[in-house]
Amino acid sequence: DTEVTQTPKHLVMGMTNKKSLKCEQHMGHRAMYWYKQKAKKPPELMFVYSYEKLSINESVPSRFSPECPNSSLLNLHLHALQPEDSALYLCASSQEEASRPYFGPGTRLTVL
Amino acid sequence: SQQGEEDPQALSIQEGENATMNCSYKTSINNLQWYRQNSGRGLVHLILIRSNEREKHSGRLRVTLDTSKKSSSLLITASRAADTASYFCATPRGGATNKLIFGTGTLLAVQP
Repeated sequence: DTEVTQTPKHLVMGMTNKKSLKCEQHMGHRAMYWYKQKAKKPPELMFVYSYEKLSINESVPSRFSPECPNSSLLNLHLHALQPEDSALYLCASSQEEASRPYFGPGTRLTVL
Repeated sequence: SQQGEEDPQALSIQEGENATMNCSYKTSINNLQWYRQNSGRGLVHLILIRSNEREKHSGRLRVTLDTSKKSSSLLITASRAADTASYFCATPRGGATNKLIFGTGTLLAVQP
């Protein structure tokens, strides 16, 4: 199994909602990432987990809350988002921090 | 910003023609990666070229790297309609292969 899966594919939420994005990989990778990609822009790194511990937070607002319950799963909890947070959220994983990442298909998030 | 620049921003060619995209980056790197993204979906890794390599081939792809000019190019030969996508170069931030800074991207349209 050489893929990263993400659910849901699409999500529409209001500014008062709480929702979660999920990411899963079964490649035995020990590093996992969240990237955010706004329309017609390149992806930007948000968070890095290494061995289930948060190693990088790119000054992301607290309304985004990552969680790594185990080495195969990565969640992104969303609360009180703004319309400008609408974007494609990409999850990725790598064997370790020195290895190139494998990307999932993304979750298209729309905040109304 | 450490973000790389790509040119052209958009490129439209006929099937069978070659497509060349260029990437310039700002900091010293140990490798440079190219990714393809189909219409707002996940990123597909195309090729990684290390700083001690000048040229690398993969099927119809040819990548060059000039570290003295901090630039790279991606050549797609004999293009097909299925090559229509956005192409991004990505460089490691702080030397970490997995923490990527993406270029601005080139949108390639291959007309049948």
